[in-house]
Amino acid sequence: DTAVSQTPKYLVTQMGNDKSIKCEQNLGHDTMYWYKQDSKKFLKIMFSYNNKELIINETVPNRFSPKSPDKAHLNLHINSLELGDSAVYFCASSQGFPGPAHFGDGTRLSIL
Amino acid sequence: EDQVTQSPEALRLQEGESSSLNCSYTVSGLRGLFWYRQDPGKGPEFLFTLYSAGEEKEKERLKATLTKKESFLHITAPKPEDSATYLCAVQGGSGNTGKLIFGQGTTLQVKP
Repeated sequence: DTAVSQTPKYLVTQMGNDKSIKCEQNLGHDTMYWYKQDSKKFLKIMFSYNNKELIINETVPNRFSPKSPDKAHLNLHINSLELGDSAVYFCASSQGFPGPAHFGDGTRLSIL
Repeated sequence: EDQVTQSPEALRLQEGESSSLNCSYTVSGLRGLFWYRQDPGKGPEFLFTLYSAGEEKEKERLKATLTKKESFLHITAPKPEDSATYLCAVQGGSGNTGKLIFGQGTTLQVKP
């Protein structure tokens, strides 16, 4: 049973396109996150939702828009993709604070 | 500004050769320090949480310790299957958001 699952696993697309990544967690957690891992393996938070409410919005271009239809799902839509958006995007979830986050296996986005 | 620095960036060990990984942090009001393991093509896998200086946690060949400025991940008699990137992250007291600040990781290679 996958705890945090993301789709798709790989995403190869051209500059200027719009794409979405979906995430679902079956852990019953109340908080979900999007993290970006760059080519140097550095993980940085982008967004966080707690019970469908946006609570973290780091300095991320407006082209990135998260949406949480319910507390088990968090999607990420990216408009007008740019070369610099190439990275691995991880979804994570946690329950309570403080506490660890549990991560999905990532979506590898490559912009041609 | 909250910051996490890990050293060394890369570590090569022979099987059975014990060593330690370092995680130095600067955070306003530490709420928790977390160790993760990341295998190639996978998401970070949660290992340990440490909440206060002096705390220690153990799991198989791994032992994590915490002081007021740094954490160590001690690896005793490592095996090739311990090869991975080890990530350290902190949660600070600024807002109950669960936000994790990550270090850049230590890539461990254990040779048989």
